[in-house]
Amino acid sequence: DTEVTQTPKHLVMGMTNKKSLKCEQHMGHRAMYWYKQKAKKPPELMFVYSYEKLSINESVPSRFSPECPNSSLLNLHLHALQPEDSALYLCASSRWVDQPQHFGDGTRLSIL
Amino acid sequence: QKEVEQDPGPLSVPEGAIVSLNCTYSNSAFQYFMWYRQYSRKGPELLMYTYSSGNKEDGRFTAQVDKSSKYISLFIRDSQPSDSATYLCAMRTNAGGTSYGKLTFGQGTILTVHP
Repeated sequence: DTEVTQTPKHLVMGMTNKKSLKCEQHMGHRAMYWYKQKAKKPPELMFVYSYEKLSINESVPSRFSPECPNSSLLNLHLHALQPEDSALYLCASSRWVDQPQHFGDGTRLSIL
Repeated sequence: QKEVEQDPGPLSVPEGAIVSLNCTYSNSAFQYFMWYRQYSRKGPELLMYTYSSGNKEDGRFTAQVDKSSKYISLFIRDSQPSDSATYLCAMRTNAGGTSYGKLTFGQGTILTVHP
């Protein structure tokens, strides 16, 4: 089991639905990340939060909306997704942005 | 040309073999190097984290960095079936600004260790 907890583990949603992915860590890390991973590909960075402030947005479509309510929690709000958005969404955290990143086990998202 | 090249394999070895996994890179600004192991349906797990050129050992794993050749390796001694996974190399620069915290991954090598 990892120390970065992601819920739900699986999510199936229609293209008109709104849902949220949740990530939690209690290691005192002040940097948190969202990645997208397609099958047989490496993770692709989406967003970086440092001290609860968004520091990197890798030109992600606005249908993905991140939120960092506090230093332990990271959300990814989803709205009007497309079938090509089906993927494994990984959360990671690190003590600071220049420290090694530790990943959760991801949410496997399927868009119908 | 990709910034980080990693042979996707698949690589199949017998139990007990020494496994060598490699990545080459083109960006000389990369200063920090990582190896992650990813089991099927799980997130990447950090195995090794290195900065300087040379070797770093942790149990059966040895990470090697050669900055002059822009080449990194991960060696697994006495490989076990439980080592069967995808191994991802990752690296980052020391730059600030919009690159800060950004990892560049290799494509991953699929390893199978058969009994």
